Amino acid sequence: EVQLVESGGGLVQPGRSMKLSCAASGFTFNNYDMAWVCQAPKKGLEWVATISYDGSSTYYRDSVKGRFTISRDNAKSTLYLQMDSLRSEDTATYYCARQRQVAPFDYWGQGVMVTVSS
Amino acid sequence: DIQMTQSPASLSASLGETVTIECRASEDIYNGLAWYQQKPGKSPQLLIYNANSLHTGVPSRFSGSGSGTQYSLKINSLQSEDVASYFCQQYYDYPDTFGAGTKLELK
Repeated sequence: EVQLVESGGGLVQPGRSMKLSCAASGFTFNNYDMAWVCQAPKKGLEWVATISYDGSSTYYRDSVKGRFTISRDNAKSTLYLQMDSLRSEDTATYYCARQRQVAPFDYWGQGVMVTVSS
Repeated sequence: DIQMTQSPASLSASLGETVTIECRASEDIYNGLAWYQQKPGKSPQLLIYNANSLHTGVPSRFSGSGSGTQYSLKINSLQSEDVASYFCQQYYDYPDTFGAGTKLELK
């Protein structure tokens, strides 16, 4: 059974940093691209970032470029999202999701809430 | 970026009814279209991919159709467990983009 379990969310002040983790199990982690998708309270879904199966390529939405870094440790089957210079508009639930190239997000984690507020 | 326009924003239907949700892309996405179901407080779940392929374990009352810029999700014989929000997503071109969602309620 595919499982994705996020951790690391919480309350953080504007301008500070936070790192999210996503532990994967039930599939061969290094065969898949992985992504982060966010959802602001009562809002729709927004793709945040994607990393290729081997970590060699990364892609970001414009609003997080230069502030967020997606990475992975294939030996630990874990995905990360380092979020720096956080803003109030980054407040959202962050989901990790499994993805192949030019394909949908076929499995999602339960999500972790990040609240950016003073 | 490709814009995804989803309609209606909300929908009220009776048990056993057939429901259709539409999604229009701002340009041709060549069937690179998925539909997701999100129940309150839960993460999204993939229903349909490649516009008309059913994801593993999804009931056959769900179906997808369309091509080019126009796509639709149909739910036959609505069940109580189908109460949820539904989102379309295009993955034909970066960045992946989602529709704003349709909230489905029981009448």
